[in-house]
Amino acid sequence: DAKTTQPNSMESNEEEPVHLPCNHSTISGTDYIHWYRQLPSQGPEYVIHGLTSNVNNRMASLAIAEDRKSSTLILHRATLRDAAVYYCILRDETSGSRLTFGEGTQLTVNP
Amino acid sequence: DTAVSQTPKYLVTQMGNDKSIKCEQNLGHDTMYWYKQDSKKFLKIMFSYNNKELIINETVPNRFSPKSPDKAHLNLHINSLELGDSAVYFCASSRGFGHGGSNEQFFGPGTRLTVL
Repeated sequence: DAKTTQPNSMESNEEEPVHLPCNHSTISGTDYIHWYRQLPSQGPEYVIHGLTSNVNNRMASLAIAEDRKSSTLILHRATLRDAAVYYCILRDETSGSRLTFGEGTQLTVNP
Repeated sequence: DTAVSQTPKYLVTQMGNDKSIKCEQNLGHDTMYWYKQDSKKFLKIMFSYNNKELIINETVPNRFSPKSPDKAHLNLHINSLELGDSAVYFCASSRGFGHGGSNEQFFGPGTRLTVL
């Protein structure tokens, strides 16, 4: 699977929007962009995914650059419960179902 | 209504022992996985089963043996435990192959294994 690059850590204030960036310059045409997060002492949790177009769901929005070499996970109003490690993962349509986790971004939310 | 459950939550054991971790999913999924998260928090896939057949086996020592009695269960048996096996083990499930890169995985709460 192609590699992703994320900042090690980010901070936000409660009730403010958070933009979590991810670079994936070697993305291939069949790679989906997935975001998962892992809250403390819990298993990873699916957040959102997309292929080419921007996506919205109840948890977040995903903005994908036109050339697909980067994407941004947007939490519209951060809460303390959003403090977690966020993983940006590329998933090849043809590689089966594995998820290859990187180091992720540790998001701290300040009250 | 837990979607993916694992037992036990904590497991403390001596080196050399044999232990098992159990996983069950009630989502009707065809594919199940085991991941290992080490002390540095890296999450790595170990195994994947699709419809009770082994699909992914990621250079894991053969002391680790997954067993899938049916689609809803994937157990992990570990022989001759070593100190380096201490980690958190996560089970996950997803719809089967054919759903391509959009297929999301649902993770269990994890089993923290400590080998003394």
